[in-house]
Amino acid sequence: SAVISQKPSRDICQRGTSLTIQCQVDSQVTMMFWYRQQPGQSLTLIATANQGSEATYESGFVIDKFPISRPNLTFSTLTVSNMSPEDSSIYLCSVGGQGYDQPQHFGDGTRLSIL
Amino acid sequence: AQSVAQPEDQVNVAEGNPLTVKCTYSVSGNPYLFWYVQYPNRGLQFLLKYITGDNLVKGSYGFEAEFNKSQTSFHLKKPSALVSDSALYFCAVRGATSGTYKYIFGTGTRLKVLA
Repeated sequence: SAVISQKPSRDICQRGTSLTIQCQVDSQVTMMFWYRQQPGQSLTLIATANQGSEATYESGFVIDKFPISRPNLTFSTLTVSNMSPEDSSIYLCSVGGQGYDQPQHFGDGTRLSIL
Repeated sequence: AQSVAQPEDQVNVAEGNPLTVKCTYSVSGNPYLFWYVQYPNRGLQFLLKYITGDNLVKGSYGFEAEFNKSQTSFHLKKPSALVSDSALYFCAVRGATSGTYKYIFGTGTRLKVLA
C-alpha cells in the first residue's frame, strides 16, 4: 500500500493567516483526496485532486478558502486561507485506487488549531 | 444517494470477550464496503473490505466483517477483544458519483476494551 507523508503534523496559527499542508506519496497515484475531521466527528470530503486538472470541490467548500495544487502524480498541497477558530480540525490527505474495490490510504493528518 | 450509518457512538467490551461494531448502508447497485480504524494522532488505517463473494470477510489484526444483503449491514467483529483494539472505527461505502469515486464514511464508533 502507498505510504503517505503529511506535513506539518500539527500547528497552531493565528486568526486571519493561511497555512499550506503538504502531502507526499511514495508512488504515483491518479486521485488524491483531502478531508476535514472536526473534533470527535467523521470525515468530510473537501475536494478530489487529480493531476493535470482543477480540483473538484464538495458542497460547502470553495477554492478561495481551500486552494489545492496537484503539480505531479506524487504530491499535493491544501491551503487553509484566512483562518478562523472554526477551521480548527484535523486535515487528512488520502489516495485511492482507480477501481471501485480499492481502499483508501491515509496520511497521519495535520492537527490545526486556530487562536 | 449513498449513505452509511453507525448507530453506536461508543461500544464497551471486556478484554477477551467478542466484539461487534455495527454498520448499515444504503446504496444503489452493488455495495463496496470498507472498515477503517483510527488510533490517536494517526490517520485511518484500512482493515478489510467487501466487494463480492463470501459474506464473511477476514481482515487485519484478527478482525472480520459479515456482509448481510437482506439487512443491508456490514458489522465488524472480533472473537476476542484486546485492550489495544481500543480506537475509533469507521465504516465506509464507495461508489461512483459524478465519476469522482467518492467514499462515504459513517460517523464512527469508539471502541473501548476494558482490562
